[in-house]
Amino acid sequence: KAGVTQTPRYLIKTRGQQVTLSCSPISGHRSVSWYQQTPGQGLQFLFEYFSETQRNKGNFPGRFSGRQFSNSRSEMNVSTLELGDSALYLCASSLAGGHRSYNEQFFGPGTRLTVL
Amino acid sequence: AQSVSQHNHHVILSEAASLELGCNYSYGGTVNLFWYVQYPGQHLQLLLKYFSGDPLVKGIKGFEAEFIKSKFSFNLRKPSVQWSDTAEYFCAVNGYGGATNKLIFGTGTLLAVQP
Repeated sequence: KAGVTQTPRYLIKTRGQQVTLSCSPISGHRSVSWYQQTPGQGLQFLFEYFSETQRNKGNFPGRFSGRQFSNSRSEMNVSTLELGDSALYLCASSLAGGHRSYNEQFFGPGTRLTVL
Repeated sequence: AQSVSQHNHHVILSEAASLELGCNYSYGGTVNLFWYVQYPGQHLQLLLKYFSGDPLVKGIKGFEAEFIKSKFSFNLRKPSVQWSDTAEYFCAVNGYGGATNKLIFGTGTLLAVQP
């Protein structure tokens, strides 16, 4: 089975621009979560999507948004980029569902976003 | 609010030394517990997980962890480290309620193993 894929792998933008990152989960996985990783703040949860619905959101401003498509692929968007948005953005997928073991998450390689 | 504490930020060991990395969490309900590893230049990989049952769990590459409910701890151990274990290690908690897969991560421990 192919793992979680994220595109693009690297991105350079300037302040004020917007960016869209894409994530393709493992086949059959219905939940996709996004995390931001920075040296100062570590790994922080952005949001989770399940069956095209956002079912949890972290403490990030409204400039950060996401969506999930019917094939479980997900995108996240950051508008009006700030220097502090420079980070590694990780996507994780899981089977999800009622059993606890379905919550195991598999991470993609990430998209390295640099804001100049 | 849920939180995870990893007590050691940087650990330097010689090959063959034993390793124990501490992890404590704060959450009153049922939890799923994880240790992830991030090797230099690579993505996060699952080392081991605890959902229920035997509190001593074994993972890949000779790692194990013990869940002590009364101490809210999930410490990672390895009897003899190798140079290839040099990486950053993250403890993570999911407060299981069936409604979310949200993981709360600790700040990570950077392990350097000297040959």
